[in-house]
Amino acid sequence: QVQLVQSGAEVKKPGSSVKVSCKASGGTFSSHAINWVRQAPGQGLEWMGGTIPIFGTANYAQKFQGRVTITADESTNTAYMDLSSLRSEDTAVYYCATLSGWGNWFDSWGQGTLVTVSS
Amino acid sequence: DIQMTQSPSSLSASVGDRVTITCRASQYISSHLSWYQEKPGKAPKLLIYAASSLQSGVPSRFRGSGSGTDFTLIISSLQPEDFATYYCQQGYSVPWTFGQGTKVEI
Repeated sequence: QVQLVQSGAEVKKPGSSVKVSCKASGGTFSSHAINWVRQAPGQGLEWMGGTIPIFGTANYAQKFQGRVTITADESTNTAYMDLSSLRSEDTAVYYCATLSGWGNWFDSWGQGTLVTVSS
Repeated sequence: DIQMTQSPSSLSASVGDRVTITCRASQYISSHLSWYQEKPGKAPKLLIYAASSLQSGVPSRFRGSGSGTDFTLIISSLQPEDFATYYCQQGYSVPWTFGQGTKVEI
């Protein structure tokens, strides 16, 4: 099973962007679908989008279309989630996770990255 | 989008109790249903995938069942470490969606 380690907490101003990284080890990075899920304080889990590095494509939840970019660097086994035009409602813990199997379950998760958006 | 509705939203139980959590999908999702456990400050942990398959390392007191639109997670004998929030998730069609969570409290 892949192990995922994310970058550290961020504090951002409204209107700015944040880029969170997710480094994978212990598996074949390129063939895993790396996805991003976020959780606002006291709220549930929300899927944002994902990518399969070997295909170099990404798909996104409609809610985040145009604001989020998910990429992967096969040379460093690292995936990135870039969220722009930040607003206070984007304050959340952001998780990367691998999406696996025919049933599309999230079997490995990063430790989470807290992004705080505040003026 | 497929809406996932869990019930109850929270429950109180004691060690040794049998706990049942249900999850209903707004449309047919076959067996594309997973269950996760989340503890404060920790990432979610996969418990059950494909509706009824136990993830490696997860105790056998956790059992999942159901198909189509109605699913159940049963904890046969609640242990102290099981007090947490549980989420269901559909993997049938994008966007992948989660239930709102069920908090299991002492």
